[in-house]
Amino acid sequence: EDQVTQSPEALRLQEGESSSLNCSYTVSGLRGLFWYRQDPGKGPEFLFTLYSAGEEKEKERLKATLTKKESFLHITAPKPEDSATYLCAVQGAGFQKLVFGTGTRLLVSP
Amino acid sequence: NAGVTQTPKFQVLKTGQSMTLQCAQDMNHEYMSWYRQDPGMGLRLIHYSVGAGITDQGEVPNGYNVSRSTTEDFPLRLLSAAPSQTSVYFCASSTNSGKGTEAFFGQGTRLTVV
Repeated sequence: EDQVTQSPEALRLQEGESSSLNCSYTVSGLRGLFWYRQDPGKGPEFLFTLYSAGEEKEKERLKATLTKKESFLHITAPKPEDSATYLCAVQGAGFQKLVFGTGTRLLVSP
Repeated sequence: NAGVTQTPKFQVLKTGQSMTLQCAQDMNHEYMSWYRQDPGMGLRLIHYSVGAGITDQGEVPNGYNVSRSTTEDFPLRLLSAAPSQTSVYFCASSTNSGKGTEAFFGQGTRLTVV
């Protein structure tokens, strides 16, 4: 059974204080690992797709990396507007369905 | 381009009532799905569809029905609402390709069953 575990559950940073969020996964036949951002009262917003170990993607202050067992979302010099819940999901060989982790709530204080 | 549109945004039901959550997408995506999001449990798949006329069950299908008569619409029906169905419901759509493709989500429907 495909599984995703995210850590930490919550993270509080000062503006400019870089850190990383972790997503550990088990999946049979990885078709893609996805990172989403979710703001309160909104639907998940797509950030990145990673397909194979060693792959990296960047967008502004965010950088996602992938190994065979985990993915990291690195946040460099975060700003208060980066505060949100970050969700990780995997898509296995079985079908189009996504298996989600429970997310990391990030709060960036000015 | 509206993307994925869900209605209503909020709903309160009494136990035993039925209702339909609407979902429409304008991206011509083949694949559509419904998830529920509960605190501490992440998003869980309820039902999905790979195209018009084809639906299947996800992880937590009990108490819900779906149909897909057009590519654009994928309504979720609650047959007899129960307090355990209090949740936030998200509809998503994506293209149906061999490689993993990102899903686009609606803004959600917050449902309370009393």
